[in-house]
Amino acid sequence: DIQMTQSPSSLSASVGDRVTITCRASQSISTYLNWYQQKPGKAPKLLISVASSLRSGVPSRFSGSGSGTDFTLTISSLQPEDFATYYCQQSYHTPLTFGGGTKVEIK
Amino acid sequence: EVQLVESGGALVQPGGSLRLSCAASGFTFSSYWMHWVRQAPGKGLVWVSRINGDGRRTDYADSVKGRFTMSRDNAKNTLYLQMNSLRAEDTAVYYCARDLTTVTTADINYWGQGTLITVSS
Repeated sequence: DIQMTQSPSSLSASVGDRVTITCRASQSISTYLNWYQQKPGKAPKLLISVASSLRSGVPSRFSGSGSGTDFTLTISSLQPEDFATYYCQQSYHTPLTFGGGTKVEIK
Repeated sequence: EVQLVESGGALVQPGGSLRLSCAASGFTFSSYWMHWVRQAPGKGLVWVSRINGDGRRTDYADSVKGRFTMSRDNAKNTLYLQMNSLRAEDTAVYYCARDLTTVTTADINYWGQGTLITVSS
């Protein structure tokens, strides 16, 4: 199985900060990498697919990059509604696997 | 509007069985791969299984293989998850989810609201 490792597991940031979350795959997955946002008590929301393709309706302050084994989700200017938990997920091979999550909290 | 509505969540004893259903609407159900994803209380997301559009192909996580069976009834626009030999570690919110497009197979886009399964004596 492909293991997905996210870091950090949590972070505290202020509104307006630039936030970077990393995700590492245990083997190369090309760009078969998705990013999700989940708020408490809600279902996840797909933000970015194939590593860097921003989904419709997702603000442009979100961006994704990377290929192979190392990937990054960046929020260029953190907004109050961005406080949530973020997950990466590899879509390269079954079983599909998620990272452990990164909780973004208010400083 | 895409809608996915799960049902069937319950408290069940270890070793018991349960069937989850997911009613889909707002899209051509038979054209999409569908998934089940679970989340234990306070924990992360875990993919459980997926099924292709005509129901002939399924894939499972190792942790549920041989115990869970995913199926679909395209005439009823309904997805199912038959869960047998349930264990305490199966306790979670189970999400029904749809893939991104009719040609993608592993990009989970639309999610239901989830249904809670609690396995406990």
